[in-house]
Amino acid sequence: GESVGLHLPTLSVQEGDNSIINCAYSNSASDYFIWYKQESGKGPQFIIDIRSNMDKRQGQRVTVLLNKTVKHLSLQIAATQPGDSAVYFCAEWEGGENKLTFGTGTQLKVEL
Amino acid sequence: GAGVSQSPSNKVTEKGKDVELRCDPISGHTALYWYRQSLGQGLEFLIYFQGNSAPDKSGLPSDRFSAERTGGSVSTLTIQRTQQEDSAVYLCASSLRREGTGELFFGEGSRLTVL
Repeated sequence: GESVGLHLPTLSVQEGDNSIINCAYSNSASDYFIWYKQESGKGPQFIIDIRSNMDKRQGQRVTVLLNKTVKHLSLQIAATQPGDSAVYFCAEWEGGENKLTFGTGTQLKVEL
Repeated sequence: GAGVSQSPSNKVTEKGKDVELRCDPISGHTALYWYRQSLGQGLEFLIYFQGNSAPDKSGLPSDRFSAERTGGSVSTLTIQRTQQEDSAVYLCASSLRREGTGELFFGEGSRLTVL
């Protein structure tokens, strides 16, 4: 079946460095791809999304890149801060299904 | 509060007992979702409500699981005859139903432990 998955389960970065979290997907019919951040003991929080007909979108300190040729999605966090430590999930949205399908998640650890 | 509210935050039960988990969505949000998150895993879709339409129950893992949404607002997820494999965090989310977006607002979840 269709699935969304992540390459790296854990990513450790130094404070101030840039972080790159990667995700592979298999469902080409998705309308949007989304990144969520989940801090310990909390529910996932929307970070940024990208429409399937775009290849790049920038937010505040975050950039999402979409490569449909290889079905790859990435989240770049600039100047990573301790508050960025969390699990990051990529997810895909199928408008017709009104369903959000999540990947397994990547743990981001920011070292001081 | 302004966010999605879930209760209880923690529930410990014995195998075979029934449990009810409650979700209060954000006021005005017409779409409501239940997801399950096992330890260290991603989120597994369970059920989706949209207004007065029939719910999408395609993610419910067995007939022991059911959910209802009364008056288009509060939702209750019921698990009958709980099993140890039901132990997980159950997350509720709501959204304004807009075409082509996946921005859901999640509650903090109800952690269920089945002994």
